[in-house]
Formats: sequence, structure tokens, C-alpha cells
Amino acid sequence: GQQVMQIPQYQHVQEGEDFTTYCNSSTTLSNIQWYKQRPGGHPVFLIQLVKSGEVKKQKRLTFQFGEAKKNSSLHITATQTTDVGTYFCAGPRTGANNLFFGTGTRLTVIP
Amino acid sequence: DVKVTQSSRYLVKRTGEKVFLECVQDMDHENMFWYRQDPGLGLRLIYFSYDVKMKEKGDIPEGYSVSREKKERFSLILESASTNQTSMYLCASSLSQTGRTEAFFGQGTRLTVV
Repeated sequence: GQQVMQIPQYQHVQEGEDFTTYCNSSTTLSNIQWYKQRPGGHPVFLIQLVKSGEVKKQKRLTFQFGEAKKNSSLHITATQTTDVGTYFCAGPRTGANNLFFGTGTRLTVIP
Repeated sequence: DVKVTQSSRYLVKRTGEKVFLECVQDMDHENMFWYRQDPGLGLRLIYFSYDVKMKEKGDIPEGYSVSREKKERFSLILESASTNQTSMYLCASSLSQTGRTEAFFGQGTRLTVV
């Protein structure tokens, strides 16, 4: 069945260090979305990528969609304690019209 | 501001009880979803609905049912709660069926079955 894996599952970084999470799909995706869930909170939409090779930036966050549209990455430059949370990627479910979520990467930032 | 509201933040129920989790959205969205979140497993889809009185099974529907009598309300029902249903339950809604529009989530219900 369809799988969307994220690595790493957990990441601890010192404040100021960079962080990257990778999302790998077993199928080609028409688009990919990224969500952030703060501790004790609910997932909140960050961004959507649609085009092959697309790169988008939001301040210190850089999102990339792979050329084959089967993988994506989220890179955070100079992490801050406000970046703490779990980051999920999500893509359209094969043969259905809803989202299939990745396993998530939980980021801890040590002050 | 768009809003998805779940009826309870925390629930403790006994094994065998019938449990109702309620979700209401105020965005006039056609599509509503129930996900279950467990550590290391991400968000797994239980059921979804594209219209009133319409429902479709997701990845893990066993032990659950749903009801959508009104467009704004989507209920998740645990017919006979079991301890392996202890989890975080998240309701979501979206405008489009295509998976190309963002999902808006409720605050979640942490259910403990004892």
C-alpha cells in the first residue's frame, strides 16, 4: 500500500543549529503539503508544493519538492525554541481524494 | 477565522462503553475527516465524508463508525471502546476533495480507555 516515510523520526538540535527532515513517498505525488504540530497542539498547514523541483521559502524555512515528485524536504536554518514540534508531510492518497500523512519528525531544540 | 471544534479535549472511558466524539466546522466545507494519531505512526485516517449522510472508510475503520447528519458536524463513534483505542483523535475539514487544499484540524481529543 501507499507509504510516506519521514526521516528522522526524532531530532534534537542545539539552538542555532540547522535542521532538515526528509519525506519519501512510495508513489509519485501531484503535490505535497507540510504541517507543523506544536507540543499539545494540532497540525497546522505550512505550505504546499506542486511543481517538480519547486523550492519555496518562509523566513528560515526552506521547502523543496523533488524532481521525480516522490520526495520532499524541509530545512530550518538557525533553529529557535519556537521551532519545537512535529513536522508532517502529506500528499494526495492514491485513488482517493484526501490526504495521506507521513510518519512525522519530532524536533526538539535545546536552548 | 476558520474553526474546527472538537467537543472534548480529554476523555476517560471504560472498556465496553459506547463513545461519541463530536466535531463541528464553521467553514461550510464539504469534506470532513477523522484521524487517529499515535507515536511513530503519524496520522492514520479512520473515516471521511464528502457530503451529508455520505461516509467512506479510511485505513483503520475497524471498531469505529461515523455519522454526518448535517454538513457542519461529523461524529466518530466507538461502538464498544477497547484499551487499544486509547489515542489522540483529530478531526479535520477541507474545501476540496482533490487533496490539493489544506486541511484544518480541531484541537484534538485525547481518549483514554481503562
